[in-house]
Amino acid sequence: GAGVSQSPSNKVTEKGKDVELRCDPISGHTALYWYRQSLGQGLEFLIYFQGNSAPDKSGLPSDRFSAERTGGSVSTLTIQRTQQEDSAVYLCASSPRTVLGYTFGSGTRLTVV
Amino acid sequence: DQQVKQNSPSLSVQEGRISILNCDYTNSMFDYFLWYKKYPAEGPTFLISISSIKDKNEDGRFTVFLNKSAKHLSLHIVPSQPGDSAVYFCAASVPYSGAGSYQLTFGKGTKLSVIP
Repeated sequence: GAGVSQSPSNKVTEKGKDVELRCDPISGHTALYWYRQSLGQGLEFLIYFQGNSAPDKSGLPSDRFSAERTGGSVSTLTIQRTQQEDSAVYLCASSPRTVLGYTFGSGTRLTVV
Repeated sequence: DQQVKQNSPSLSVQEGRISILNCDYTNSMFDYFLWYKKYPAEGPTFLISISSIKDKNEDGRFTVFLNKSAKHLSLHIVPSQPGDSAVYFCAASVPYSGAGSYQLTFGKGTKLSVIP
């Protein structure tokens, strides 16, 4: 596609429920990143995928968070048993494997009530 | 421990004047620095970058200055325009090691308001 597409744009969920956030990167971009921005905070790195390599999960805040990237394209970030502190904007970015090539999606605003 | 710090959460500037946004970092391994601009309900968009081997990079109205000894960089916007009103994020990366990612470390952002 022309840009990085994320869905849904907004998600309200009850505490304890599982949620799935989707990212469709730019075609041909081999690298895919998930970041999140909590209220009043900067963008926090969560996870990185590069081709068929093992993902860099060093930023995931707990084992309730997981992500997959199927076929080297679409990625899904799953948060199990959501907590109120998970409320944030979750941003996906893709890149042709350079620092300069980062393109962000518009994000998913997750609200846990 | 915040490795990239933007100590001013907000800044207001009159249209036509200079806007100066500041950023400090603590990790001496950072070798590339970027500024992103973010409008509400949109993702951040790349604005300008600078390599650690330079001390200045200019692109139109935007100039980024890097002071490595002080671990400080700044973004200058001259002249400021109302359309520049947005949140500006400073970001930094370490050299690619052949493993891992081009992970960016971001500051908390500065909200710039340009007053007409």
